[in-house]
Amino acid sequence: ETGVTQSPTHLIKTRGQQVTLRCSSQSGHNTVSWYQQALGQGPQFIFQYYREEENGRGNFPPRFSGLQFPNYSSELNVNALELDDSALYLCASSLGGTGGYNEQFFGPGTRLTVL
Amino acid sequence: KNEVEQSPQNLTAQEGEFITINCSYSVGISALHWLQQHPGGGIVSLFMLSSGKKKHGRLIATINIQEKHSSLHITASHPRDSAVYICAVPVTSGSRLTFGEGTQLTVNP
Repeated sequence: ETGVTQSPTHLIKTRGQQVTLRCSSQSGHNTVSWYQQALGQGPQFIFQYYREEENGRGNFPPRFSGLQFPNYSSELNVNALELDDSALYLCASSLGGTGGYNEQFFGPGTRLTVL
Repeated sequence: KNEVEQSPQNLTAQEGEFITINCSYSVGISALHWLQQHPGGGIVSLFMLSSGKKKHGRLIATINIQEKHSSLHITASHPRDSAVYICAVPVTSGSRLTFGEGTQLTVNP
């Protein structure tokens, strides 16, 4: 059984640039949730994908977008990067569309720094 | 007021001590998650529970749905237990988790 993986592990960008983060879900899991965690704070829900469709979104602007592929891996895209986007980005996979009611398996995260 | 509140924010203990971390929430839920986050960011799911008590090794989690309160206990604490412990609850349609701010636990040898 393969765990959740994320790439890259670290990334440095400048304001205004665009970034794509990737997540491979655990084998057999059809749901991926993305979270943003600023330093010293708890994670904040960005959105969730279930069977290639967005299945819930948190309070993030449209420049945060995502995608889920037929193999259930997922991408998080952020356009027009701002300094406040500097954070740890976590993805979590689970089975079933109601991710909050199923055990979620987290990836190691991508640390994004925006200069 | 946050939907999920944890206490204490920081906790320092000596090896062997009994640890309790508390989580209170203001939304109606039917399940609660306890997670562990080590330096570097990786998060591990410890428990998901909807009633009563669950035990795994030295970790015990309890929940009282009526009082909207959960506790995480660590018996015979060890320095390797040092981490941030986070509780999280599903809200709205259940697709999203709302997290507490976390409790930074440091266990000294």
